[in-house]
Amino acid sequence: AQTVTQSQPEMSVQEAETVTLSCTYDTSESDYYLFWYKQPPSRQMILVIRQEAYKQQNATENRFSVNFQKAAKSFSLKISDSQLGDAAMYFCAYRKGRTYMDSNYQLIWGAGTKLIIKP
Amino acid sequence: ETGVTQTPRHLVMGMTNKKSLKCEQHLGHNAMYWYKQSAKKPLELMFVYNFKEQTENNSVPSRFSPECPNSSHLFLHLHTLQPEDSALYLCASSRLGGRGPRRTEAFFGQGTRLTVV
Repeated sequence: AQTVTQSQPEMSVQEAETVTLSCTYDTSESDYYLFWYKQPPSRQMILVIRQEAYKQQNATENRFSVNFQKAAKSFSLKISDSQLGDAAMYFCAYRKGRTYMDSNYQLIWGAGTKLIIKP
Repeated sequence: ETGVTQTPRHLVMGMTNKKSLKCEQHLGHNAMYWYKQSAKKPLELMFVYNFKEQTENNSVPSRFSPECPNSSHLFLHLHTLQPEDSALYLCASSRLGGRGPRRTEAFFGQGTRLTVV
């Protein structure tokens, strides 16, 4: 069975600095997707960044980038130039498959990392 | 706003009450999901509906009863809940039939904070 582990329950960073959130996963699949979601106090789960396992290039979205190490099954999120609005819970998630018609959208979730931004 | 709306935002109910949570999406998606989020635990998938048909029921107690009358609306009917059912209940939707992560990305509502007393 697939599992996702986030070993940091809480992280803090000074505003404008860089922080890296860790995520490891376990799977026997070769094709899958990985995601980082952000959940601010408003509780809305918002997709931050996604990575396709078959792509070697690390995904980037503005100040957010990932370090995807497929062999090590590691998928860390780097946030550059941290801003107060980045304060939230961050969840790593895994989804298997490249089938054309998935029968469901089973995301496997980590327990989350609370990110605190110090002004 | 992600296009997925959940009501109510907060709900306090007694163990003998019956209540319903509502989720609505206007994104043209054809799959909808209920998740339970408890403190310090990973999100738990409860139910999945594809094209209005339930395809997954992850060993959820029968005191939770989902209903999907059409592809835009999803309900979670609650009755005789227990205090341990107190949690944030999240609804999500996605579009099946696309290829790749972007086409099947899940969009979430803001959740209903449920407290069972």
